[in-house]
Amino acid sequence: QKEVEQDPGPLSVPEGAIVSLNCTYSNSAFQYFMWYRQYSRKGPELLMYTYSSGNKEDGRFTAQVDKSSKYISLFIRDSQPSDSATYLCAMSAPYNTDKLIFGTGTRLQVFP
Amino acid sequence: SAVISQKPSRDICQRGTSLTIQCQVDSQVTMMFWYRQQPGQSLTLIATANQGSEATYESGFVIDKFPISRPNLTFSTLTVSNMSPEDSSIYLCSVGALPGANVLTFGAGSRLTVL
Repeated sequence: QKEVEQDPGPLSVPEGAIVSLNCTYSNSAFQYFMWYRQYSRKGPELLMYTYSSGNKEDGRFTAQVDKSSKYISLFIRDSQPSDSATYLCAMSAPYNTDKLIFGTGTRLQVFP
Repeated sequence: SAVISQKPSRDICQRGTSLTIQCQVDSQVTMMFWYRQQPGQSLTLIATANQGSEATYESGFVIDKFPISRPNLTFSTLTVSNMSPEDSSIYLCSVGALPGANVLTFGAGSRLTVL
């Protein structure tokens, strides 16, 4: 079993839709949870990060962490064609400061 | 957070040759990280580069194949040696994005294709 599982998609939605992207994980020691956006032929760009459980909101983006279920989500409201990219979740544990574990990424396409 | 510049952005290489990728950061950082992203795969940590000491390699990666230099606090290089088509990947340099948090920021990556 992989430490982090992420549905690869692709996920295709109309402009204005609410998008839900998810990851599950197995290591209960993970405390930092990140979402990266990666456009084609670019490096990953940090979107949001959360420490431990809870929600975090930044504009149209909301990150949720449910540690009891080992499940994290990224919600995108009022999705735009410019949101079309691959979204990667990543996690790390406090005892291992130099290692992030990434999901495989979900490819999102928002069509006009 | 830090701004990372990587060179080359892409290259096409012949089997058996070696290529060195450069990573320049606009601020001094203690640790720099090299990741690999194979086609359709997630990012995998190759090694951690600390200034003044040998790099620490993850399981499955060895110094002879991926030698790393870290001559100062703003610069590192990763060499992919004796390349084969299986080395065709995006190679990414990263550094910490926030003090005290295990959160990284990445360069744009170097896309290598080995023929």
